[in-house]
Amino acid sequence: SQQGEEDPQALSIQEGENATMNCSYKTSINNLQWYRQNSGRGLVHLILIRSNEREKHSGRLRVTLDTSKKSSSLLITASRAADTASYFCATDAEGSNYKLTFGKGTLLTVNP
Amino acid sequence: DADVTQTPRNRITKTGKRIMLECSQTKGHDRMYWYRQDPGLGLRLIYYSFDVKDINKGEISDGYSVSRQAQAKFSLSLESAIPNQTALYFCATSGRGAQDTQYFGPGTRLTVL
Repeated sequence: SQQGEEDPQALSIQEGENATMNCSYKTSINNLQWYRQNSGRGLVHLILIRSNEREKHSGRLRVTLDTSKKSSSLLITASRAADTASYFCATDAEGSNYKLTFGKGTLLTVNP
Repeated sequence: DADVTQTPRNRITKTGKRIMLECSQTKGHDRMYWYRQDPGLGLRLIYYSFDVKDINKGEISDGYSVSRQAQAKFSLSLESAIPNQTALYFCATSGRGAQDTQYFGPGTRLTVL
């Protein structure tokens, strides 16, 4: 079963705008990770946030984690056409022996 | 050179055929994983291996088998391929740490006719 569920399923914005994607999960986690996938290619790790962290930044990426609501958000600021991709959250659930469970992804389209 | 490689990249086969997908990594990681990706379903874990002598079933292992030939090599077999195994297959690796991320190969697109 899917642990993480991203919302929205698809998002279309103009270059320069910010993009926000959300992820909800069901069980307690050790950490939550975000990955990016360009069409038909392998996933690339973007950022990891531990269960005891609330916010993390990496370049134009900002991730928040609310363990009380079992949710996370990924914000991409000043988006570029090259940010067009699918974005997945993945959770490392407590007791899972460090296996990741991926959500279904958000397809982000950034229009020039 | 890529850290995680998969062969073949594309494969078309017929129902009932035996297929092997291969994965090699140069990252020196102990842990390796096989996932399949279907449109709208995200990635689902098929099998994973935490070292050469440790093989574990994932969420959807029925119809698949694996072999961990060495630390760097992890192969996935479909003993008798069926059309609903048509999908994109990814191999991934990670280190042993609790906070380790996974590194993915480029994928194998498999079509079973």
